[in-house]
Amino acid sequence: DAGVIQSPRHEVTEMGQEVTLRCKPISGHNSLFWYRQTMMRGLELLIYFNNNVPIDDSGMPEDRFSAKMPNASFSTLKIQPSEPRDSAVYFCASNALNLKGATAVKQFFGPGTRLTVL
Amino acid sequence: KNQVEQSPQSLIILEGKNCTLQCNYTVSPFSNLRWYKQDTGRGPVSLTIMTFSENTKSNGRYTATLDADTKQSSLHITASQLSDSASYICVVSGGANNLFFGTGTRLTVIP
Repeated sequence: DAGVIQSPRHEVTEMGQEVTLRCKPISGHNSLFWYRQTMMRGLELLIYFNNNVPIDDSGMPEDRFSAKMPNASFSTLKIQPSEPRDSAVYFCASNALNLKGATAVKQFFGPGTRLTVL
Repeated sequence: KNQVEQSPQSLIILEGKNCTLQCNYTVSPFSNLRWYKQDTGRGPVSLTIMTFSENTKSNGRYTATLDADTKQSSLHITASQLSDSASYICVVSGGANNLFFGTGTRLTVIP
């Protein structure tokens, strides 16, 4: 299994530009999460999907951030327009949704995308 | 206020020694507590997950404990190896993927 795949691994862009981060979850997993990690704030959950449907986007910092999951094997996180304070490592993670409702399910993280906005 | 606090912020130990990392939380309701290991430049990797009814769980040389009454957890690393050098993150779930993250403990194991 290739694990969670993220692209690009590094992105450097100028303030005001649109940034799109991509994620392919582990095959068979039907929950997908987007996180942001900075030195100051640590890991933060931005949004998560169950069965391609956004469930909770309360962690999305501003309207400049949007996420989509058009199918079970692909998700994007878009920032438009980007700002220097968006510089962080963005992680995608996935897990199999437990149909019995248990939440103690092991989550698998991708390698992350390091975003630098100049 | 739902919070997760980890201590120490950083720790340096000699190879072969044991160490214990602490996690205190105020999250309520409580669903489960997870410990992750994050190597530099990599994504977090799950070490243990404990629910309310579990008070200890092991994964190789890693042993996590949970006291749901005092809302404390610890991660004990036995016979440390250089490869244990990483950040260790405590995450508490309030249910329904409502997650609260500690800022991590940075462990450095030196030869």
